[in-house]
Amino acid sequence: AQSVTQPDIHITVSEGASLELRCNYSYGATPYLFWYVQSPGQGLQLLLKYFSGDTLVQGIKGFEAEFKRSQSSFNLRKPSVHWSDAAEYFCAVPHNNNDMRFGAGTRLTVKP
Amino acid sequence: NAGVTQTPKFQVLKTGQSMTLQCAQDMNHEYMSWYRQDPGMGLRLIHYSVGAGITDQGEVPNGYNVSRSTTEDFPLRLLSAAPSQTSVYFCASSYRAGANTGELFFGEGSRLTVL
Repeated sequence: AQSVTQPDIHITVSEGASLELRCNYSYGATPYLFWYVQSPGQGLQLLLKYFSGDTLVQGIKGFEAEFKRSQSSFNLRKPSVHWSDAAEYFCAVPHNNNDMRFGAGTRLTVKP
Repeated sequence: NAGVTQTPKFQVLKTGQSMTLQCAQDMNHEYMSWYRQDPGMGLRLIHYSVGAGITDQGEVPNGYNVSRSTTEDFPLRLLSAAPSQTSVYFCASSYRAGANTGELFFGEGSRLTVL
């Protein structure tokens, strides 16, 4: 079954520092991959998605992610974190046509 | 734009009580779904619908019931609440049938506590 693993439960970075959130997927073929963000008390919002083609995808809010088949990874990056980026981040992969499987999430804390 | 609207935002139930979580979307989306979010487990699919009159089970359907009489509404019913159903529930929709065809739009969530 398709699944994703987010190894880091909680990450703390200083404002202005770079950020990388890890996501590893389990899938035989090239998967569709997604990153969502959940701000406190809110629903999830799509940051970016990978379907095929260019392995570096750009998303909203200055985020990007790189698909690496050799490492089964789809890590999320941002060059300079802002305090408003504090949130929980979820990697996701479709399990089948109608079931999106989410990772356990990584909570990001931004230090001033 | 209202997007996906869930009510109520908070609810406390006693074991054995029943209730309905409401979900409505105004984007004319074909696909609607219910997820539950539990600490350390991400989101898990309860039930989904690919159009009016069509529903199916997700990963964790036991104890829940759904119906889809209109494109806009997708209520989730708890038949006999149990403490294990204490969770945050999210309704999500997508413009095409299928969770993998693009973006899921989420409501703000409904926090349910079962005592």
